[in-house]
Amino acid sequence: NAGVTQTPKFRILKIGQSMTLQCTQDMNHNYMYWYRQDPGMGLKLIYYSVGAGITDKGEVPNGYNVSRSTTEDFPLRLELAAPSQTSVYFCASSYRGLASETQYFGPGTRLLVL
Amino acid sequence: KNQVEQSPQSLIILEGKNCTLQCNYTVSPFSNLRWYKQDTGRGPVSLTIMTFSENTKSNRRYTATLDADTKQSSLHITASQLSDSASYICVVTAHRSGAGSYQLTFGKGTKLSVIP
Repeated sequence: NAGVTQTPKFRILKIGQSMTLQCTQDMNHNYMYWYRQDPGMGLKLIYYSVGAGITDKGEVPNGYNVSRSTTEDFPLRLELAAPSQTSVYFCASSYRGLASETQYFGPGTRLLVL
Repeated sequence: KNQVEQSPQSLIILEGKNCTLQCNYTVSPFSNLRWYKQDTGRGPVSLTIMTFSENTKSNRRYTATLDADTKQSSLHITASQLSDSASYICVVTAHRSGAGSYQLTFGKGTKLSVIP
């Protein structure tokens, strides 16, 4: 199993541009999550999904959108990039919810908005 | 407001030595506490998960303890190796009733450097 994969690894955007961060997992996990990690700060939940076709907002959803058309994929869309969105983005998955399940994280996408 | 505080912020130890990292939290209602290891430029990797009824859990050279009464946890690393150099993140899960949802609060992490 490749686990959780993310593309791209690094991207530079200009203010106002759009992009999609890709996330795929091959563990047949129902739950998927998007986090951002700012320097020196804890991870913050952006969006999560409990299964195909179902998504919900996390702690910091403004400026982002997600979709979950398949179990494997959970892309994160930035519509109008802003400097405040400069961060490292991590996708994660778990088989069930977070009662006692291990979360598996991808390697991250480093985004710089100039 | 749910908060997770970790100490120290950073730590340098000699290879072969032991160390203990601390985590204090004000998260409720408590569901579980997790420790992650995050290598530089990589995603976090789970080390341990402890529920309310568990007060210690080990994973190879890593031993986590939990005191739910004082809302404190520690991660003890035994016989440190150079590969232990990483950030260690404490994460506390709260259980929101009704919707059955869970909320994770991440600490800022302790950056450990193991030197030869």
